[in-house]
Amino acid sequence: KAGVTQTPRYLIKTRGQQVTLSCSPISGHRSVSWYQQTPGQGLQFLFEYFSETQRNKGNFPGRFSGRQFSNSRSEMNVSTLELGDSALYLCASSLGRSSGGNQETQYFGPGTRLLVL
Amino acid sequence: GESVGLHLPTLSVQEGDNSIINCAYSNSASDYFIWYKQESGKGPQFIIDIRSNMDKRQGQRVTVLLNKTVKHLSLQIAATQPGDSAVYFCAENESAGGSEKLVFGKGTKLTVNP
Repeated sequence: KAGVTQTPRYLIKTRGQQVTLSCSPISGHRSVSWYQQTPGQGLQFLFEYFSETQRNKGNFPGRFSGRQFSNSRSEMNVSTLELGDSALYLCASSLGRSSGGNQETQYFGPGTRLLVL
Repeated sequence: GESVGLHLPTLSVQEGDNSIINCAYSNSASDYFIWYKQESGKGPQFIIDIRSNMDKRQGQRVTVLLNKTVKHLSLQIAATQPGDSAVYFCAENESAGGSEKLVFGKGTKLTVNP
């Protein structure tokens, strides 16, 4: 099976712009989560989507948003970019835990490296 | 101002030695734990996981130990190889309402000397 893919791999934007990142999960996986990785804060959870619904959200401002499509592909959007948004954005997919079921392993993509100037 | 980076614990071992990487987790209600390996320029790669109803799980050259009493995880790598050099993260899965949310430790940088 192909792994999690993310596009683009690298992106340079300027402050105030917006950006959309894309993630294609492993075939059959219904849950997609997004994480931000920076040298200062490490790996931090942004949000998780399952069956096109956001199930959980991390402690990030409303400028960070996402969505999931019926084929489980997901996009995240950051509006009004700030210098501090420069980071590696990671997408992870899993089968997705059904109610009362066990947690499923999350598998990560290679990330999108965003630089805000 | 300049941002302060996370101080990553480091571990340096000789090729062929065994490595032990430790991690403390925060949520006593967490019941699923994962170790990831991240090489430079790549996303985290799954190594091994363990559920809270176990205290030890073995994979190929890796063993994870879970001590729920003190909220501690460890990853043991046998016969460490240069290709094992990477940053290792432990993660606890904090599930609320069925959602998946990983909370990561700060990571440990492992360097294997040939």
